Amino acid sequence: LAKTTQPISMDSYEGQEVNITCSHNNIATNDYITWYQQFPSQGPRFIIQGYKTKVTNEVASLFIPADRKSSTLSLPRVSLSDTAVYYCLVGAFHSGGYQKVTFGIGTKLQVIP
Amino acid sequence: SAVISQKPSRDICQRGTSLTIQCQVDSQVTMMFWYRQQPGQSLTLIATANQGSEATYESGFVIDKFPISRPNLTFSTLTVSNMSPEDSSIYLCSATGLAGQETQYFGPGTRLLVL
Repeated sequence: LAKTTQPISMDSYEGQEVNITCSHNNIATNDYITWYQQFPSQGPRFIIQGYKTKVTNEVASLFIPADRKSSTLSLPRVSLSDTAVYYCLVGAFHSGGYQKVTFGIGTKLQVIP
Repeated sequence: SAVISQKPSRDICQRGTSLTIQCQVDSQVTMMFWYRQQPGQSLTLIATANQGSEATYESGFVIDKFPISRPNLTFSTLTVSNMSPEDSSIYLCSATGLAGQETQYFGPGTRLLVL
């Protein structure tokens, strides 16, 4: 399983765009990049997933350069409710239809009023 | 997205006893997993709950300590056996293969305190 490295914590003011970068230098050809969000006392929640280039959904954007050795989660105009831990995960999908991943320590994002 | 529920949501137990945690998904799923999360720490995968066969355990976790059942495609249990204070943690189940999607969806977790 590819190891990921991301900042332990980040602070941002409300209304700003937040970019969290994750390094995964030994990503394999079949690996996908997935980001989860976890609020206190809750289970992680899927945010976005991608393989290469750019992916955008209603919550976030994911930028993946051509070499795929890193990825950046972009949260537009954060609010206080975006304060959470964000996990970057890398792994391949198995024949059973699941992505086996290892959770790192994540990035604790604190949004400041 | 599907709804995953866990019972109990929290419990306080005496050392040497066992606790069974239930995980219920509101639709059939392909895979179910059990994780442990120490307060303020990341998630550690305990095992994959396979339907109709024995669970697959990760390094450092054994069936005698964490027996798992998965009798059907929507339900699984994790038992924490012969508990010690070191087992105090949050236990989460997750599921994937919901309606063709392959990302993992997590339950709310069971907060366990062993005295």
